[in-house]
Amino acid sequence: SQQGEEDPQALSIQEGENATMNCSYKTSINNLQWYRQNSGRGLVHLILIRSNEREKHSGRLRVTLDTSKKSSSLLITASRAADTASYFCAPPTNAGKSTFGDGTTLTVKP
Amino acid sequence: DAGVTQSPTHLIKTRGQQVTLRCSPKSGHDTVSWYQQALGQGPQFIFQYYEEEERQRGNFPDRFSGHQFPNYSSELNVNALLLGDSALYLCASSFLVAGLGETQYFGPGTRLLVL
Repeated sequence: SQQGEEDPQALSIQEGENATMNCSYKTSINNLQWYRQNSGRGLVHLILIRSNEREKHSGRLRVTLDTSKKSSSLLITASRAADTASYFCAPPTNAGKSTFGDGTTLTVKP
Repeated sequence: DAGVTQSPTHLIKTRGQQVTLRCSPKSGHDTVSWYQQALGQGPQFIFQYYEEEERQRGNFPDRFSGHQFPNYSSELNVNALLLGDSALYLCASSFLVAGLGETQYFGPGTRLLVL
């Protein structure tokens, strides 16, 4: 099954700083999605980047994709305390067998 | 437009009992997936339903079963509960867009505690 692996496992920054987290995967993909999960709640879809895109922006989020290295990164600029959450990358479900890594836990200190 | 809904929000059971969790997909979606998320870990895929049939299954025992109804809603059943079944159970719905993979939208989850 296809699984995204996030790095680092944990990240702690001050409010206003930028946060960068990375994702690696193993097989070819058509697209890759990033999700956020606040403590104990459901996952919220943040952004989808297609395999023919190298970079995509959505508000304070910037996602890059390097298919040659099978990796992606999520940058959150000017972070806020409300950005504190776990972030997951998910390669496409590939007929439903996609699984998630353990995510990056981001803590933004006020 | 309601998103994905799940019920109940919390549930406490004892070992050996059986539990049924319910999920209503986002309007327009026809596919429902179920995930188990243990504390501190990422969601693990249990199975996916499409057109009322189990389409794919993860590495979970037969104690985990499901159903999808004609209105696309779904149930997850777990028999002979074990302590290790304590987790957050997430339902996700999607609509297959040919060639683009499936963007899944998640519900808030059901927190199951097995004592």
